[in-house]
Amino acid sequence: QQQVKQSPQSLIVQKGGIPIINCAYENTAFDYFPWYQQFPGKGPALLIAIRPDVSEKKEGRFTISFNKSAKQFSLHIMDSQPGDSATYFCAATDSWGKFQFGAGTQVVVTP
Amino acid sequence: DTGVSQNPRHKITKRGQNVTFRCDPISEHNRLYWYRQTLGQGPEFLTYFQNEAQLEKSRLLSDRFSAERPKGSFSTLEIQRTEQGDSAMYLCASSLGPGRYGYTFGSGTRLTVV
Repeated sequence: QQQVKQSPQSLIVQKGGIPIINCAYENTAFDYFPWYQQFPGKGPALLIAIRPDVSEKKEGRFTISFNKSAKQFSLHIMDSQPGDSATYFCAATDSWGKFQFGAGTQVVVTP
Repeated sequence: DTGVSQNPRHKITKRGQNVTFRCDPISEHNRLYWYRQTLGQGPEFLTYFQNEAQLEKSRLLSDRFSAERPKGSFSTLEIQRTEQGDSAMYLCASSLGPGRYGYTFGSGTRLTVV
C-alpha cells in the first residue's frame, strides 16, 4: 500500500522554467515532509523539508507548498537549471522516523 | 566524518548464493535504517535499529533476509539464497533520534542477481 502518492512520473522543462511536483498522503500521523534529490548511482540527498504547521517554505530556488486540509504538498524549482536534472522524491514520516517515499519524479531541464 | 558509508558499492552474484552488505553510519547517530530501491521506484523501508536493538521489520523482509547491528555501530544486511527479484539498490540511512534529525543516506549497494 503506497502511503505517499507522487506525480508526475517525469517532467521536461526548459532552463528557467518551474517544474512542479505534487504529492498526496493519507496518514494524518505524518508530521514531517522532506523532499530528496537523487542523481544516478547516488543515494537520496535531503533538499528541503516542511512540517504541517506552515504552508510554505523556501530554501534558495526550492519551495515547498503544504496544504494540510487537502493532505497534499508540492515542490517548485524556481529558475531551473540543467544541473537540477535528477530524480526527486517526496517523503513523509511520523515520530518513529520510518520514511514513506513517493515513487519519484524524473526531472529533465534542457539548456 | 564522511557521512554514511556502504560497502560494497556493487555486487553481482549468482542466484542461490548468499550476500552480505555493510553500513557504517555517522558516528553519533543512534538510529540506522535499511531501505530497498528498485528501478524507477522510491526507497522502501526494510528495517531499522535503535542502537543495537532491531525495532521494526517490514513485511518485505522475508526469512531469507537478516540484519544485525552489533554494539550499535555498523550494521550488516545478509540475503541468503538470493533470487533474481532481490536485484535492487540497498540503501542505508542513519539519524540522531527520529528521522527529522539529520537523516542521511549512504550511496547504496547495487545488487545484481544473475
